[in-house]
Amino acid sequence: TQLLEQSPQFLSIQEGENLTVYCNSSSVFSSLQWYRQEPGEGPVLLVTVVTGGEVKKLKRLTFQFGDARKDSSLHITAAQPGDTGLYLCAGARTNAGKSTFGDGTTLTVKP
Amino acid sequence: DAGVIQSPRHEVTEMGQEVTLRCKPISGHDYLFWYRQTMMRGLELLIYFNNNVPIDDSGMPEDRFSAKMPNASFSTLKIQPSEPRDSAVYFCASSFFPQGSVHTEAFFGQGTRLTVV
Repeated sequence: TQLLEQSPQFLSIQEGENLTVYCNSSSVFSSLQWYRQEPGEGPVLLVTVVTGGEVKKLKRLTFQFGDARKDSSLHITAAQPGDTGLYLCAGARTNAGKSTFGDGTTLTVKP
Repeated sequence: DAGVIQSPRHEVTEMGQEVTLRCKPISGHDYLFWYRQTMMRGLELLIYFNNNVPIDDSGMPEDRFSAKMPNASFSTLKIQPSEPRDSAVYFCASSFFPQGSVHTEAFFGQGTRLTVV
């Protein structure tokens, strides 16, 4: 079983602060994705990383895939209330057909 | 395209009743996934289809759960009989490429919130 552990489980910060959330596993993945889910909605894809050590930036969000492709991190700079939501990582093996999701990090950014 | 469409958005039913959840994937997507989300267990994959054929149903909790995909534009998830522990948000998602592909992106519906009392 591919197990993805996310930390922290909950995070509450003030607007303007920086934060990092983590996604860790003992398994190697060919690709890892980060999704954001808002209340009452389904998850929406933010990014896909596929190469060990890869870093991708999406405005104030920076995603990194570990060198061994077992872990990933999401860093948000100068968080805004609009960043509030549930952040999920999902890992898959090459053309596996399905992904395994982590338990998620619930982020609250207070104005 | 309107995205993945699920119905109903909310369902409240009594224990023992049959529940049917419906999903219309994005046109042209060959992969369809059913997930269940709860606070305790997070987002769990129940079953997925490729070209209308069930590929992996190892996540289906028990025989009370069944899923069908009679054509490329429609899928159902049925629970019979329903139990209170089935209460959760059920998501349908579709994708053009398989998960694990560099190009893949799963598009999720808005979910069906099921409450079994």
